[in-house]
Amino acid sequence: DTGVSQDPRHKITKRGQNVTFRCDPISEHNRLYWYRQTLGQGPEFLTYFQNEAQLEKSRLLSDRFSAERPKGSFSTLEIQRTEQGDSAMYLCASRAEGSTDTQYFGPGTRLTVL
Amino acid sequence: GQQVMQIPQYQHVQEGEDFTTYCNSSTTLSNIQWYKQRPGGHPVFLIQLVKSGEVKKQKRLTFQFGEAKKNSSLHITATQTTDVGTYFCADRKAAGNKLTFGGGTRVLVKP
Repeated sequence: DTGVSQDPRHKITKRGQNVTFRCDPISEHNRLYWYRQTLGQGPEFLTYFQNEAQLEKSRLLSDRFSAERPKGSFSTLEIQRTEQGDSAMYLCASRAEGSTDTQYFGPGTRLTVL
Repeated sequence: GQQVMQIPQYQHVQEGEDFTTYCNSSTTLSNIQWYKQRPGGHPVFLIQLVKSGEVKKQKRLTFQFGEAKKNSSLHITATQTTDVGTYFCADRKAAGNKLTFGGGTRVLVKP
């Protein structure tokens, strides 16, 4: 168990609905990353936080996507007006700054948009 | 943008045999990390290579970083059924530690 938890593990929604995912990083890890992984592909970087500051966003992150980490601990990823192309596994990872360069991944949230 | 490519995409290996998977980048790699993802699981960190020409071993796994830092390889000897999974390489950028993953090599082991 890596210690990173994500909720929910699975989400089925209808096109056009909004969804929100939560990630709880390993305690005291100040860096938190979101990735998206589609079937048969490697994870793609979406965004990352250092504490509560969102430092980088990928061009993959359209205006319908928003991520927050208000208190520098857990993070949420919201997708508005979901589309079928949003169906994927959304992975969260965390890392302690100043330590090894290892990112610890959570189990992911699998989103299916009908 | 940068492209990280892995070959082969699929690897069917007889148990006990050796195999190698390759990772190539369109640009110079900063640091290369390797991850393993079991079926239905999440990526798990295996190792990081930093220096040009670096070679690291973990039991039956040997990781190598190319001299020009544009490629890397993972060699597994005496494959076991526990080696089943997808092996990803990822370029770790120093700024922000962002990872750019390759497409992975899916390994199936025939007993």
